[in-house]
Amino acid sequence: EIVLTQSPATLSLSPGERATLSCRASQSVSSYLAWYQQKPGQAPRLLIYDASNRATGIPARFSGSGSGTDFTLTISSLEPEDFAVYYCQQRSTLSTFGPGTKVDIK
Amino acid sequence: QVQLVQSGAEVKKPGASVKVSCKASGYTFTSYGISWVRQAPGQGLEWMGWISAYNGNTNYAQKLQGRVTMTTDTSTSTAYMELRSLRSDDTAVYYCARDPDYYGDFDYWGQGTLVTVSS
Repeated sequence: EIVLTQSPATLSLSPGERATLSCRASQSVSSYLAWYQQKPGQAPRLLIYDASNRATGIPARFSGSGSGTDFTLTISSLEPEDFAVYYCQQRSTLSTFGPGTKVDIK
Repeated sequence: QVQLVQSGAEVKKPGASVKVSCKASGYTFTSYGISWVRQAPGQGLEWMGWISAYNGNTNYAQKLQGRVTMTTDTSTSTAYMELRSLRSDDTAVYYCARDPDYYGDFDYWGQGTLVTVSS
């Protein structure tokens, strides 16, 4: 099973700041990596697929990069609605999710 | 518009089974797979498995093999997930998600179904 590790576990930032979230895979997943945002009491929302492609309707402040084992989700300037938990997911070998990074208000 | 509507909350005793439904609308059901994902209280997301709505092929997470069965009914555009021999650590919100890319990139999700396993 491919294990995904996310860091940091919690990121405390202020609105307007830049957020950089990391996801590392235990073996190469090529570019088969997605990012999701989840708010309390809601289903996850797809942000990025295939490492760097924004899903439909996702604002341009969200961007993804990386390939192989190391990936990054960047939020260029945090809006109030961006404070949430973010998960990465690989689909190279079946599927697994990372443990999540919580972005909270500093 | 694409919608996935799941069945309501369930309370089950240990050892029992549960079957959750997921009714799809707004797209051609057989053109996409359906994956199931669960989330224990306060925990992260766990992929449970996938079913092709086109031909019924399935792939399950190894830890659930033998306890989970996923099926579809194309006549009603509904997917089902049955979990047997329930334990307390199966207590979770269960989500179905439209799966366009074999096990990932879930672009639409159901609202979730809380399954509580308690004696």
